Amino acid sequence: GAVVSQHPSWVICKSGTSVKIECRSLDFQATTMFWYRQFPKQSLMLMATSNEGSKATYEQGVEKDKFLINHASLTLSTLTVTSAHPEDSSFYICSARDKDRRHKNTEAFFGQGTRLTVV
Amino acid sequence: LAKTTQPISMDSYEGQEVNITCSHNNIATNDYITWYQQFPSQGPRFIIQGYKTKVTNEVASLFIPADRKSSTLSLPRVSLSDTAVYYCLVGDKNAGNMLTFGGGTRLMVKP
Repeated sequence: GAVVSQHPSWVICKSGTSVKIECRSLDFQATTMFWYRQFPKQSLMLMATSNEGSKATYEQGVEKDKFLINHASLTLSTLTVTSAHPEDSSFYICSARDKDRRHKNTEAFFGQGTRLTVV
Repeated sequence: LAKTTQPISMDSYEGQEVNITCSHNNIATNDYITWYQQFPSQGPRFIIQGYKTKVTNEVASLFIPADRKSSTLSLPRVSLSDTAVYYCLVGDKNAGNMLTFGGGTRLMVKP
């Protein structure tokens, strides 16, 4: 199957600093990528939809100025958590759809996730 | 988007067949049913997808009745490594919409 890679897998940062998470589709092009956040023992919550070459669409309650999303190419989307606070500590996951829909039986491919801990 | 309902948790033993049922009463005509598996601290992994009747692959089977208001994921002869959370999702795979995750089912396989 297709591969979506996230980097870093885990990161620890100080409160008030910014952290960037990368999401790459390694063997396909993705016009749309999705960013999710998952707290312990909870389900994935969609944060925003990232569209290549345009502004991201944020879900209700997600601060766009705090969670900056850039989708500069068909294989890369980045999520920057600005001025991070301990309550931003979570598991962040991206997913991507194959633009060419070569993988007909699969809706989306997920990255391995990034564990963010803000201290 | 169609809402899904699954049992919160299930227990099983190694070697048994496990069936996890998902209800999706508001499924639309163009919606497909997709199941994902998630291990702790990992992203979800695609298991199987179907539209109607039965779909089988090397890891699971998916049974969908004629009214499509529910679906059952069947895992044959589970092992300890199948302990994970299983999510049932419903959506139009051709619409490019985001995937909305419900609560999922936490499967615990015991020795």
